[in-house]
Amino acid sequence: GAGVSQSPSNKVTEKGKDVELRCDPISGHTALYWYRQRLGQGLEFLIYFQGNSAPDKSGLPSDRFSAERTGESVSTLTIQRTQQEDSAVYLCASSLAPLTSGGAGEQFFGPGTRLTVL
Amino acid sequence: AQSVSQHNHHVILSEAASLELGCNYSYGGTVNLFWYVQYPGQHLQLLLKYFSGDPLVKGIKGFEAEFIKSKFSFNLRKPSVQWSDTAEYFCAVNARGAAGNKLTFGGGTRVLVKP
Repeated sequence: GAGVSQSPSNKVTEKGKDVELRCDPISGHTALYWYRQRLGQGLEFLIYFQGNSAPDKSGLPSDRFSAERTGESVSTLTIQRTQQEDSAVYLCASSLAPLTSGGAGEQFFGPGTRLTVL
Repeated sequence: AQSVSQHNHHVILSEAASLELGCNYSYGGTVNLFWYVQYPGQHLQLLLKYFSGDPLVKGIKGFEAEFIKSKFSFNLRKPSVQWSDTAEYFCAVNARGAAGNKLTFGGGTRVLVKP
C-alpha cells in the first residue's frame, strides 16, 4: 500500500539508552508530523517538517528529543537517554502542502511505534 | 496556547441509539476542524473536516458534525450507531495563523456500542 509506514512497531529499551524511530511518509507529501500519545491521553504534537523550511520544533519536550528529515522523504525521531516517562506510542503523519486557504489539511497517520522504557 | 476539550472520556450505548460527542476549543480566530477515528487495531483515520462554508459537514459512515463558531464547538453526531462504530474518536483543531500547520488534539472519547 501507499500509506505512512513506521518502524519498529514495538520497541522495548532500558532507561538511559538511545532509541531511533523511523517514519516513511506517503510519496509526494511535503509535510510530516510527529506526535506522542501516552496511555489514555490524546495526541501531543512534537515536531513538524514542511519541505525545505526550518522544522517547527516547538512541541519537543526536552533536548533529549530530536528529529531529522531527508528532503521530503524519511524522517527519524531520536530519543537520547530514555526515561520511563518517554513510554508512549509515537505517531507519524504526513500531508500534502498546507491549504491555499490557510492552515493544515488532512493528515494521514501511520500505525505508530509503541515505545516501552523499562 | 490552543486547547481542545472532549468532555466525555467514555460512552457506552446500544445499537441504533443516537450518538453525540462534544468538542470545544479555545481560539478566537479562524480554525480548521477535524474528527479522527481509531478503530481497534487500526490507524487513526479522518472521519470529517471543516475548513469553510456550510458549518454542517458530513463525513464517512453516516457521521456529521456542526461547527458553531459562537460556542467554539464542533460536535460529532450519528443518528443511529452500529456495533462497528466502537472506536476512539478524536477532535482536532488547527488554529490558522497562530499555530501554523499544527493540529491540537483533544483527549479522545472511547465509544463502546453494545450489540
